[in-house]
Amino acid sequence: SQQGEEDPQALSIQEGENATMNCSYKTSINNLQWYRQNSGRGLVHLILIRSNEREKHSGRLRVTLDTSKKSSSLLITASRAADTASYFCATHPTRGQGAQKLVFGQGTRLTINP
Amino acid sequence: EAGVAQSPRYKIIEKRQSVAFWCNPISGHATLYWYQQILGQGPKLLIQFQNNGVVDDSQLPKDRFSAERLKGVDSTLKIQPAKLEDSAVYLCASSRIADSKNIQYFGAGTRLSVL
Repeated sequence: SQQGEEDPQALSIQEGENATMNCSYKTSINNLQWYRQNSGRGLVHLILIRSNEREKHSGRLRVTLDTSKKSSSLLITASRAADTASYFCATHPTRGQGAQKLVFGQGTRLTINP
Repeated sequence: EAGVAQSPRYKIIEKRQSVAFWCNPISGHATLYWYQQILGQGPKLLIQFQNNGVVDDSQLPKDRFSAERLKGVDSTLKIQPAKLEDSAVYLCASSRIADSKNIQYFGAGTRLSVL
């Protein structure tokens, strides 16, 4: 079952603007990851945030995690046309059999307009 | 380091036919995953192997889907017989064993169309 729910489902902005995507989940997690998928391609890992971390940066990416609200956000600053893709959050659960797999959300489709 | 290899990239079949997909993970990655991604949705795990053993196949429709990883390296996913609702992209991913972060590396996928 899909654990992550992402919001918005689709986002269209102008090049140079910032893009923010949100993810909510249901169970306890070891970490939360964000992946990017370009059209017709596989997923590429972007960034990981552990359950005991609140914020993480990598280049133009900023991820926040609020375990009390079971939510995360991904901010892409100074967007570029090449950022056009679908973005998925994936949770790494803590317990049981699920502890060995990732559970992906439905994704946010981001379009950067030149 | 070579990435995850999948073939074929595209496949078109008629319903009730059979089809097979192949995946070769990154060298040294003991864990291999097959996902089904329906258009507009996130990937859904079908089966997870660790070496040549199955860790999780709880979401694999076992009446029609099968997968094997006989030598603990490459893997084959088969559908027999295919249904219209099997139209999707089938993604293979791999990760290092005992990776507490569970970061996964994906292939480009096989796009299956069932007519």
